[in-house]
Amino acid sequence: LAKTTQPISMDSYEGQEVNITCSHNNIATNDYITWYQQFPSQGPRFIIQGYKTKVTNEVASLFIPADRKSSTLSLPRVSLSDTAVYYCLVGGGSNDYKLSFGAGTTVTVRA
Amino acid sequence: SAVISQKPSRDICQRGTSLTIQCQVDSQVTMMFWYRQQPGQSLTLIATANQGSEATYESGFVIDKFPISRPNLTFSTLTVSNMSPEDSSIYLCSVVGLDYRSDTQYFGPGTRLTVL
Repeated sequence: LAKTTQPISMDSYEGQEVNITCSHNNIATNDYITWYQQFPSQGPRFIIQGYKTKVTNEVASLFIPADRKSSTLSLPRVSLSDTAVYYCLVGGGSNDYKLSFGAGTTVTVRA
Repeated sequence: SAVISQKPSRDICQRGTSLTIQCQVDSQVTMMFWYRQQPGQSLTLIATANQGSEATYESGFVIDKFPISRPNLTFSTLTVSNMSPEDSSIYLCSVVGLDYRSDTQYFGPGTRLTVL
């Protein structure tokens, strides 16, 4: 499973855009990049998934450069309720669908 | 959308006892997994719950301590055996094959276990 590296924490203010970059130098050809959000005492919630270029949904955007060795999750106009831990995961490309969670990024949104 | 539920949502247990956690999905799924999240830590994969056969355990986890069953495509159980305070964690099940994203894992709400 490819190892990921992301910042331990990030602070932001309401209404700002938050960009979290994740490094995954050993990503395999078949691996997807998936981001989850986790609030205290809850299971991780799927945010977005991509393979290459850009993916956008109603919650976030995911930017993946051509070499796929990193990715950036973009949260537009965050609110206090976006305060959570965000995990970047690489995997799922093989038939076992296993994921390896790193430490995640704690995003704190302030008023 | 499909729902993943876990029972119990939380429990407080005495050391030396065992607790069985249930994971129920309201539609058939391809894969089911069990994770542990120790206080303040990230998630660690315990095992893959295989339907109709023995679970596949990750390094550091053994069947005697964490027996797992998966009798069908919508249900699995994880038992935490002979518990000690070090087993105090949140235990989460996840599934693959829930919707059109055939390769995305979705997680249950978790079971918070405290061992005294």
